[in-house]
Amino acid sequence: EVQLVESGGGLIQPGGSLRLSCAASGFTVSSNYMSWVRQAPGKGLEWVSVIYSGGGTYYADSVKGRFTISRDNSKNTLFLQMNSLRAEDTAVYYCARDLGIAGRVGYWGQGTLVTVSS
Amino acid sequence: QTVVTQEPSFSVSPGGTVTLTCGLSSGSVSTDYYPSWYQQTPGQAPRTLIYSTNTRSSGVPDRFSGSILGNKAALTITGAQADDESDYYCMLYMGSGIWVFGGGTKLTVL
Repeated sequence: EVQLVESGGGLIQPGGSLRLSCAASGFTVSSNYMSWVRQAPGKGLEWVSVIYSGGGTYYADSVKGRFTISRDNSKNTLFLQMNSLRAEDTAVYYCARDLGIAGRVGYWGQGTLVTVSS
Repeated sequence: QTVVTQEPSFSVSPGGTVTLTCGLSSGSVSTDYYPSWYQQTPGQAPRTLIYSTNTRSSGVPDRFSGSILGNKAALTITGAQADDESDYYCMLYMGSGIWVFGGGTKLTVL
């Protein structure tokens, strides 16, 4: 069974850094396309970043240069390093597998809340 | 910058049929955009309904179907039920490794 469990969210001051983790089970992270999607309170879904099985990484303009997606194959875990955090980064962050990928069904984690506030 | 457009809200009667659409502020949606659809109820994580335009995820009732209608992607619910009342989001592949969600449609069943 595919499972994705996010952790690492919390309250952080503007300008600070936070690293989110997504522990995967039931499949191999490095063999799939792994994404982060966020949802600000009361707002819609926003695609944030993806890491391809081949290692290529891509980012939404809103986070480019501040966020870094990576994975640890030995731990079967996906990460999102978030630097220079802003109030507008406040959101629930979801980890997902194969989101939007041709011929593959997308799986979602339950999300972790990040609050950027002084 | 191209925006992915969805109806902000829609209403359907129980047992009725509704079609939600997913378009572009500039241009037409085709299968090359790999449209996918997601359902989200309040306080819950999203759930994948449709991927690759028209493929239903496992466990999704066959009253949900995806297609291209004209210049938009479409999600049709045939025989709507009360528990279909949710937010629905489409997502499109914009090229160069970038995906974009639509703003979502709040569906009311009454």
